[in-house]
Amino acid sequence: LAKTTQPISMDSYEGQEVNITCSHNNIATNDYITWYQQFPSQGPRFIIQGYKTKVTNEVASLFIPADRKSSTLSLPRVSLSDTAVYYCLVGWNSGNTPLVFGKGTRLSVIA
Amino acid sequence: NAGVMQNPRHLVRRRGQEARLRCSPMKGHSHVYWYRQLPEEGLKFMVYLQKENIIDESGMPKERFSAEFPKEGPSILRIQQVVRGDSAAYFCASSPGTMDDEQFFGPGTRLTVL
Repeated sequence: LAKTTQPISMDSYEGQEVNITCSHNNIATNDYITWYQQFPSQGPRFIIQGYKTKVTNEVASLFIPADRKSSTLSLPRVSLSDTAVYYCLVGWNSGNTPLVFGKGTRLSVIA
Repeated sequence: NAGVMQNPRHLVRRRGQEARLRCSPMKGHSHVYWYRQLPEEGLKFMVYLQKENIIDESGMPKERFSAEFPKEGPSILRIQQVVRGDSAAYFCASSPGTMDDEQFFGPGTRLTVL
């Protein structure tokens, strides 16, 4: 499974756009890129998943360049409630495969 | 449709005791995963079960740890003779089990071994 590298932590003010980049240099052809969010004392929650180019949902956007060796999670206009740990996962993410989590990026949103 | 349920939410055990963690998957989900999370770390896969079957236990320690998912009732993660190093948050996730489905996580059980 491809290893991922993310910044350990990031700070942002409320209302700003936050971009968290994840490196996955040895991503395989069949691998998808998935981001999870985890609040303190809670289980992770699926945010977004993509294979290439750009994916957008009501929560975030995911940008994946052509070489797929990195990806960027974009959170528009963050609020205090977006303070959480964000995990980038690479692999065949599905309902019948164990997920592989790294250490994630701890995002702190400041008023 | 209730989410994944885990109980207890907090469990305190003394060294040498047994810990039993329970997970009730979402309705209609027949696949259960157990993950362990140490402080400031990501989740680590332990075991993957389908009803009455263990599919993958490659992440679970060979000794003292066992898991089951009976035909009726919740999935159980059992830790015998707990040691301080077992202190962690244990998360359960469930899915319908098909390739196109995501895993839904429970709130976790925080085990503290004194």
